[in-house]
Amino acid sequence: QSALTQPRSVSGSPGQSVTISCTGTSSDVDGYNYVSWYQQHPGKAPKVMIYDVSKRPSGVPDRFSGSKSGNTASLTISGLQAEDEADYYCCSYAGSFTWVFGGGTKVTVL
Amino acid sequence: EVQLVESGGGLVRPGGSLRLSCAASGFTFSYFSMNWVRQAPGKGLEWVSFISTSGTDLYYADSVKGRFTISRDNAKNLLYLQMNSLRAEDTAVYYCARDAVFWGQGTLVTVSS
Repeated sequence: QSALTQPRSVSGSPGQSVTISCTGTSSDVDGYNYVSWYQQHPGKAPKVMIYDVSKRPSGVPDRFSGSKSGNTASLTISGLQAEDEADYYCCSYAGSFTWVFGGGTKVTVL
Repeated sequence: EVQLVESGGGLVRPGGSLRLSCAASGFTFSYFSMNWVRQAPGKGLEWVSFISTSGTDLYYADSVKGRFTISRDNAKNLLYLQMNSLRAEDTAVYYCARDAVFWGQGTLVTVSS
C-alpha cells in the first residue's frame, strides 16, 4: 500500500488553530471510518489522540478533533499550546487487516 | 488497565534472527486480534503484521513477507514476532498494538555488523 499523504509541517501561534490533512484513496481513508491520529514527542512512543475518525480517548483534551471528507481526513488542534509541539501521524485501515500510515507532520508552536 | 509490554529487542548482525515478545494484560487477550508496528530511527510508522484471535489468519507488510512470522500463545497472553534474515533496514522500534488505541512502549531492534 502507498503511504497516506500529510504535509511535512504546520505551525501556529499559541491560541490559534491548526489543521493537518491526511489524504488517501478509496481503498483506505475513503473506504472505512477507521482513521486514527497519533502524537509523538521526541524519544517517546506514539500516543493516540483520535480514533475512528473523530473519537477521543479519555484524557485527550477536547482541543483535538478529527473529521473526514471523502479521501481526506483532518486533525484540528484548537487553542494551540506549547505542549502540542510534536510529530503527528495519521493512520487508516486499508482492508485485509492491514493499516497504512501517513508520513508524519511536524507541528511547531511559534 | 490494558498493558502491552514488548521485549526481546537488541543488536543483531545482518542475516541474523531475533524473536520479539509482547506480554498483554488488563484484557481478555484471546478475544482480540493483534498487530506489530515499527518505526525506523527518524522515520514514520509502518504497519508490519496482523494475527487473528485464533492465530489462523496472518497478514504481513510486503517489506517483511517471507522473513517475519507473527504468532501468539493465548494461554500465556503473549504475542510474538519471529524475525529472520534481518537487514539493516529492519532497524526500528517495534510496537505491539491491540488496536488503534492500545499500543505498547516498544522495543528497539538494531541490525548492524
